[in-house]
Amino acid sequence: GAVVSQHPSWVICKSGTSVKIECRSLDFQATTMFWYRQFPKQSLMLMATSNEGSKATYEQGVEKDKFLINHASLTLSTLTVTSAHPEDSSFYICSARETSGRTSYEQYFGPGTRLTVT
Amino acid sequence: AQKITQTQPGMFVQEKEAVTLDCTYDTSDQSYGLFWYKQPSSGEMIFLIYQGSYDEQNATEGRYSLNFQKARKSANLVISASQLGDSAMYFCAMREASGGSYIPTFGRGTSLIVHP
Repeated sequence: GAVVSQHPSWVICKSGTSVKIECRSLDFQATTMFWYRQFPKQSLMLMATSNEGSKATYEQGVEKDKFLINHASLTLSTLTVTSAHPEDSSFYICSARETSGRTSYEQYFGPGTRLTVT
Repeated sequence: AQKITQTQPGMFVQEKEAVTLDCTYDTSDQSYGLFWYKQPSSGEMIFLIYQGSYDEQNATEGRYSLNFQKARKSANLVISASQLGDSAMYFCAMREASGGSYIPTFGRGTSLIVHP
């Protein structure tokens, strides 16, 4: 089956530093990847849609200069949280959509990255 | 208006009993898809079941079935013979075809606890 990995699975960083989270589709090509943010006991909030080779489309209210997204290849998208602050602490989940077709199961989720900013 | 509404923040069920998790949706699209995901405490999103708007039969996947009532715009998840491992958050999601983006919208989720 389609597998999406995320690295790291958890990270603790100091306020003011930047953190990069990788999302990889391991056995399929993903034209589109999605980045979500989830606060404890809340739903997934879409942050941005990332298309290979082009700029990401950010949802309203998401600072694109703070959350830098790069989708350099069909199997890798990265989310960089720049100048992280404690309020950026959250669970970040990526998902990837297969290049071919529009089957019902085309969106596959990564295991998530828990970011804690101290 | 919310596109996906899950009115049950928490549900409890006895092991081996069946449980229904509610989900209603709002869309003006004719073509859309409905999903249910399970999120255990580890955080991973596990796909459970999918129902297309044009599917006439209710979707079933093992112990999971989707009670799709199109006129009522509801897509309830039924878990039969609950197991302790079913304790998790459950999210209903809808993907609309409008605009060609096919980006799903998630509900707030329902926390299910299965008692032994």
